[in-house]
Amino acid sequence: QSALTQPPSASGSPGQSVTISCTGTTSDVGGYNYVSWYQQHPGKAPKLMLYEVTKRPSGVPDRFSGSKSGNTASLTVSGLQAEDEADYYCSSYAGSNNLLFGGGTKLTVL
Amino acid sequence: QVQLVESGGGLVKPGGSLRLSCAASGFTFIDYHMSWIRQAPGKGLEWVSSISNGGTLKNYADSMKGRFTISRDNAKNSLYLQMNSPRAEDTAVYYCAREVRPYYYSYTMDVWGHGTTVTVSS
Repeated sequence: QSALTQPPSASGSPGQSVTISCTGTTSDVGGYNYVSWYQQHPGKAPKLMLYEVTKRPSGVPDRFSGSKSGNTASLTVSGLQAEDEADYYCSSYAGSNNLLFGGGTKLTVL
Repeated sequence: QVQLVESGGGLVKPGGSLRLSCAASGFTFIDYHMSWIRQAPGKGLEWVSSISNGGTLKNYADSMKGRFTISRDNAKNSLYLQMNSPRAEDTAVYYCAREVRPYYYSYTMDVWGHGTTVTVSS
């Protein structure tokens, strides 16, 4: 199974909104609502930001939101802040007890 | 507090073996499914393996099947990954991680360790 497809980079100015896409197939993103998003700062472990497409763990600001349409899931970060600059990875259940990750998107706050 | 601490990484020769450990604390370990995820240098995340809370159900990424073995000791609150016949492409930081909800697979990890580095080289 191939990794999910994410744009390698995204950017926005402070206060703006940015959306990162995550494209899979009907066998993963399109077939299940088990899509998650992780934030990773350099040298740090990933941090869960969203799960089951739209759910936010406790402590994650509501500036982070998720959605899904067909085989593509999206992470939207509203009101960009400097600390949002990081790598973001999507993941999706892919059936048969397999989990796929996207290639990652480097978010730059201009 | 809820914590996962990996250990056991290091330099291993191709064809050798290495056992990674993950010590859990701050939560009821036996209630949670656990996973190993790795990240090669400068690359993205890759799911390696998962194990059910009781240790009976084990799943592996295709490229790891037959070479890696996941296990756990609930009495010791510990997760393990036995790496046999590692290859250069297995060089990565290996993270252990906890499922977001007890007893349930949603393929979402909400607690991650800091990672342990494995380098496969002769």
